[in-house]
Amino acid sequence: DGGITQSPKYLFRKEGQNVTLSCEQNLNHDAMYWYRQDPGQGLRLIYYSQIVNDFQKGDIAEGYSVSREKKESFPLTVTSAQKNPTAFYLCASRRREGRDEQYFGPGTRLTVT
Amino acid sequence: EDQVTQSPEALRLQEGESSSLNCSYTVSGLRGLFWYRQDPGKGPEFLFTLYSAGEEKEKERLKATLTKKESFLHITAPKPEDSATYLCAVQAVGNQFYFGTGTSLTVIP
Repeated sequence: DGGITQSPKYLFRKEGQNVTLSCEQNLNHDAMYWYRQDPGQGLRLIYYSQIVNDFQKGDIAEGYSVSREKKESFPLTVTSAQKNPTAFYLCASRRREGRDEQYFGPGTRLTVT
Repeated sequence: EDQVTQSPEALRLQEGESSSLNCSYTVSGLRGLFWYRQDPGKGPEFLFTLYSAGEEKEKERLKATLTKKESFLHITAPKPEDSATYLCAVQAVGNQFYFGTGTSLTVIP
């Protein structure tokens, strides 16, 4: 089955530690996205990538980093510089061209204490 | 400023009581409007894409419509399993996506 996988589902870290969230897709999509979802707020864009080895900052990129070495994979690192990292993180993908919808993974809930 | 506003924030319906959810938007150059369903603790599930004013899409008890300023998600004779948060998103020129904060729907048996 084609789809997007995110791992792990739940992640716990201590303050000051970097953590990497995994996102893999087998939909053959060129574009991939990372969003953050907090209660009462819409999805906010962290980073996106339209093609391998290229990515752009979204609205809230500070304290985050990404890489896009393979078409299928778009990992997100939450660094210790992110002041409020506890949130629900969603990865999405879509075809790069056209006006197609995004498809989302199941999400990773990160808790930093 | 590009933005998407959904109303109401929360809606409680009796089973079988039809209603509508609203998504109003202000974006420069609408390329598409998308509806998603999100269950607690899960990723959004794609429902519909609408591209131009006057367009309608249907799926089971759900029907989405689009005008130049807003979209409606009509729910006909809802069932408890329709309970979820419904998200609206728009794609603007430049491939930016903007999401609303969602409408939390509860259908009571």
